[in-house]
Amino acid sequence: GQQLNQSPQSMFIQEGEDVSMNCTSSSIFNTWLWYKQDPGEGPVLLIALYKAGELTSNGRLTAQFGITRKDSFLNISASIPSDVGIYFCAGRDQGGSQGNLIFGKGTKLSVKP
Amino acid sequence: KAGVTQTPRYLIKTRGQQVTLSCSPISGHRSVSWYQQTPGQGLQFLFEYFSETQRNKGNFPGRFSGRQFSNSRSEMNVSTLELGDSALYLCASSLRAQKVEQFFGPGTRLTVL
Repeated sequence: GQQLNQSPQSMFIQEGEDVSMNCTSSSIFNTWLWYKQDPGEGPVLLIALYKAGELTSNGRLTAQFGITRKDSFLNISASIPSDVGIYFCAGRDQGGSQGNLIFGKGTKLSVKP
Repeated sequence: KAGVTQTPRYLIKTRGQQVTLSCSPISGHRSVSWYQQTPGQGLQFLFEYFSETQRNKGNFPGRFSGRQFSNSRSEMNVSTLELGDSALYLCASSLRAQKVEQFFGPGTRLTVL
């Protein structure tokens, strides 16, 4: 099925550094979501975006809904060890069926203290 | 408010058997979606239920089925298990069928031997 292109696949950074990851789609999306998943757990919703150009923050996390509506970005500032995990983008395209979220393959973040 | 609960958390079955997984959504949430997560394919949508009716279905064979009860609890069933069905099965709930913000449970880890 349709999937989002999420990059990078993995990141290994030093504590305190900023992190950026992004997601792109071949079709226009009307909603973008960002989730974080810890080992052995389900994804936890971090940020939801509903309008092109929208910029939303949740603590040290900031996400943006791209102007073209085909991409989204997530930034984490001043990373800490508990930021470790897999970050997923998800969205629903404008032609998408109700309830059907499409997910990226995830960005695995490792933080070195 | 309690989150989404899934039972059992872990399950081991053999090929050819069938399995039933259970999901209790967040109190007040009436929509339940199911996803399969594997290392190779990532998160893929199985189906969504709202008001005891299946509203949407992903591209999975008919061996995968589900239902929702009047209290919004949901079950999914996989018959004639195959090795490739080994995965983390995630349930997500949302307030209503078109509400895109979905909240995930911890998942059921199914291993097929």
